[in-house]
Amino acid sequence: QKEVEQNSGPLSVPEGAIASLNCTYSDRVSQSFFWYRQYSGKSPELIMSIYSNGDKEDGRFTAQLNKASQYVSLLIRDSQPSDSATYLCAVMPYTGGFKTIFGAGTRLFVKA
Amino acid sequence: SQTIHQWPATLVQPVGSPLSLECTVEGTSNPNLYWYRQAAGRGLQLLFYSVGIGQISSEVPQNLSASRPQDRQFILSSKKLLLSDSGFYLCASKSGVHEQFFGPGTRLTVL
Repeated sequence: QKEVEQNSGPLSVPEGAIASLNCTYSDRVSQSFFWYRQYSGKSPELIMSIYSNGDKEDGRFTAQLNKASQYVSLLIRDSQPSDSATYLCAVMPYTGGFKTIFGAGTRLFVKA
Repeated sequence: SQTIHQWPATLVQPVGSPLSLECTVEGTSNPNLYWYRQAAGRGLQLLFYSVGIGQISSEVPQNLSASRPQDRQFILSSKKLLLSDSGFYLCASKSGVHEQFFGPGTRLTVL
């Protein structure tokens, strides 16, 4: 059983719409959660971190965490073609741990 | 903030040849360092991680090895490359308790 699950997509949204990316994780005691963006041929880039239940907003990005349901999501408002990329969800089982568990990623296409 | 360097950026090697990929980190000390491989269209596979000089943990048994001769230097090696070693190799660094950051990567093609 995979530890971090993401829909592989592709998720296609029109420019200006809200893109919603979801992720579930299996380890109930996980403490730290991250979203990375990876453009084709490039390395992953950290865009959001979230550690407590609720929402965290940064510009057009909002990360949402629900530990009881073991899911974390990323909302991208006013989606732009430049947001087209693969988004990786990552979970650190405990604070200060050595390993971060990555999902396989969701491909997002924003149509102009 | 830390900066992660990897070289070379791209590499084409014949089957059976040796490999050495280098990663160096600036702007931090005593980081946890990681080597990942990403096959085309696939997720990240953790290969090795290191919590200090000379300390290497292997995640996947294969013909690759890693070394950490200095605090901010991490090397990935192979004595004989296989076709299946082709991929995008990423070095990552984690300082403190939270986020992991990635270097620019090395794209390896084994022919």
